[in-house]
Amino acid sequence: DGGITQSPKYLFRKEGQNVTLSCEQNLNHDAMYWYRQDPGQGLRLIYYSQIVNDFQKGDIAEGYSVSREKKESFPLTVTSAQKNPTAFYLCASRTRDSGRIFSGANVLTFGAGSRLTVL
Amino acid sequence: GQQLNQSPQSMFIQEGEDVSMNCTSSSIFNTWLWYKQEPGEGPVLLIALYKAGELTSNGRLTAQFGITRKDSFLNISASIPSDVGIYFCAGNYYGGSQGNLIFGKGTKLSVKP
Repeated sequence: DGGITQSPKYLFRKEGQNVTLSCEQNLNHDAMYWYRQDPGQGLRLIYYSQIVNDFQKGDIAEGYSVSREKKESFPLTVTSAQKNPTAFYLCASRTRDSGRIFSGANVLTFGAGSRLTVL
Repeated sequence: GQQLNQSPQSMFIQEGEDVSMNCTSSSIFNTWLWYKQEPGEGPVLLIALYKAGELTSNGRLTAQFGITRKDSFLNISASIPSDVGIYFCAGNYYGGSQGNLIFGKGTKLSVKP
């Protein structure tokens, strides 16, 4: 079955450590996204990538880094510079924007999420 | 930046009751999506809307793309305990980056058996 796999599901980090969250998709989607979710705050965009070897900052990119070396993979690193990293992180993907609005456009498919807790 | 106002923030209802929630924006949207998120999981798409006035159903769920293109609502009829979760609206506005959706803050639904 096609889908998005995030790992690990739960991660604990000590202050000052960098951690990397994995996101892999086998949907043949071009674009991939990382969101952060905090209680009562909805989803906030961290980084996104429309194509391999290219990515853009979202609304809250500070303290995070990403890479897009393969179409299927979009790992997120939470660095020690992120002041408040405890959150639920969601990876998503979608087909490439064709410039037209059509049924199925803009629909994001999400992974099951990774919960990061800083000790 | 663009924001979506989603209401209500939370609802506590009795099993069997109907539910209604909505989202409004200050900009014209060309896409409205409704997602459901269960605890500890990622959001799952319920309904996608692409035309002003469009009314779409998915089982007991019905959503509409507002005629002004600035709002959308989701109705759930005859709620059951498994409807519990957080419902998010999301959309893409004219002039926005396609695919970079704007999300509402969610409506948390609790259903009492």
